[in-house]
Amino acid sequence: GQQVMQIPQYQHVQEGEDFTTYCNSSTTLSNIQWYKQRPGGHPVFLIQLVKSGEVKKQKRLTFQFGEAKKNSSLHITATQTTDVGTYFCAGPGRGSTLGRLYFGRGTQLTVWP
Amino acid sequence: DTGVSQNPRHKITKRGQNVTFRCDPISEHNRLYWYRQTLGQGPEFLTYFQNEAQLEKSRLLSDRFSAERPKGSFSTLEIQRTEQGDSAMYLCASSLELAFTDTQYFGPGTRLTVL
Repeated sequence: GQQVMQIPQYQHVQEGEDFTTYCNSSTTLSNIQWYKQRPGGHPVFLIQLVKSGEVKKQKRLTFQFGEAKKNSSLHITATQTTDVGTYFCAGPGRGSTLGRLYFGRGTQLTVWP
Repeated sequence: DTGVSQNPRHKITKRGQNVTFRCDPISEHNRLYWYRQTLGQGPEFLTYFQNEAQLEKSRLLSDRFSAERPKGSFSTLEIQRTEQGDSAMYLCASSLELAFTDTQYFGPGTRLTVL
């Protein structure tokens, strides 16, 4: 079945360092979405990428969608303690599973002050 | 507050009991989704509705699970004869179906503990 994989599973950085998480899908995606989940919280939508090779920025966050639309990355420049949480990528299903999102396992980011 | 709401936020039950959770989506959203999340994992899809019609069900949704959205607004998820393996966070999300985007907005979840 369709799978979405993320690496690394955990990342510990000192405040001010950069952070990157990578997402790979077993199938070509129509779009990819990124969510952030704070400890004890629920997933919060960050962004959606639709076009091949698309790059979007949100302040210190840069999101990329691969040319083949099978991979994506999230890069955070100069991390802050407020960036702590788990970052998930998710891709929609296809055909009979079109309505669902397939989530990766997430990358848990810890930031030391 | 116009976000997705879920009740209860926490539920502790004994094995074998039935439980029911409620989700109220964002008012103008026509799609409603249920996911389950266990510790260290991403959300796993259970089922989704477009208006009142249940369009997809995951294999994870055994015969003990049933979901309804009778009037196309709120939804309920019932688990019968709960098992310890059902302990998880149950997340509801809603979206407005558009041509190329279908961003899902999640509620705070209901944490189920089966003793």
